[in-house]
Amino acid sequence: RKEVEQDPGPFNVPEGATVAFNCTYSNSASQSFFWYRQDCRKEPKLLMSVYSSGNEDGRFTAQLNRASQYISLLIRDSKLSDSATYLCVVKDTGGFKTIFGAGTRLFVKA
Amino acid sequence: NAGVTQTPKFQVLKTGQSMTLQCAQDMNHEYMSWYRQDPGMGLRLIHYSVGAGITDQGEVPNGYNVSRSTTEDFPLRLLSAAPSQTSVYFCASKRRESSYNSPLHFGNGTRLTVT
Repeated sequence: RKEVEQDPGPFNVPEGATVAFNCTYSNSASQSFFWYRQDCRKEPKLLMSVYSSGNEDGRFTAQLNRASQYISLLIRDSKLSDSATYLCVVKDTGGFKTIFGAGTRLFVKA
Repeated sequence: NAGVTQTPKFQVLKTGQSMTLQCAQDMNHEYMSWYRQDPGMGLRLIHYSVGAGITDQGEVPNGYNVSRSTTEDFPLRLLSAAPSQTSVYFCASKRRESSYNSPLHFGNGTRLTVT
């Protein structure tokens, strides 16, 4: 079983739609959680950290459920520029070893 | 403000050749790591280092060596290239801190083809 699993998609949505991505992780001792965004043939970039209480950054909302070992990302009012691959990321208890999910591909269409 | 610099950007090797992918960062980050990215597989951790003189294996270390003689540099060596090592390689670094939430800073990637 992979340490971090995501639905690969692709998700094809119209502009203005709300879309949700899910991620599960296997190591119950994992400490830190993130969503990264990767554009085609580019390096990944941090989108947002994920906190147990849930957190929001503009149109993006991240949630963490430690009991279910589940992370989610909600994008509201999708824009064309949101088209990218979204990577779920988990760090181990030491805070250094960082494991990426395979990513979920999003296409936002006009 | 260079950040994380990887060289070369592109490389073609023949099976059995060796080479070193270079990675340097100028942010005084203690942690550095190498990932490979293949279609449908996401980024997989090859090796990582938490400081000069310390390295450890990630998920897919076989066929690769690393060393960390300085804080700034973390080269990745392919001893005998194989077609299965055709991939995009990313180097990343982060600072060590009491909080766990510092992000990884990535280089632009090296696209390696082994024929």
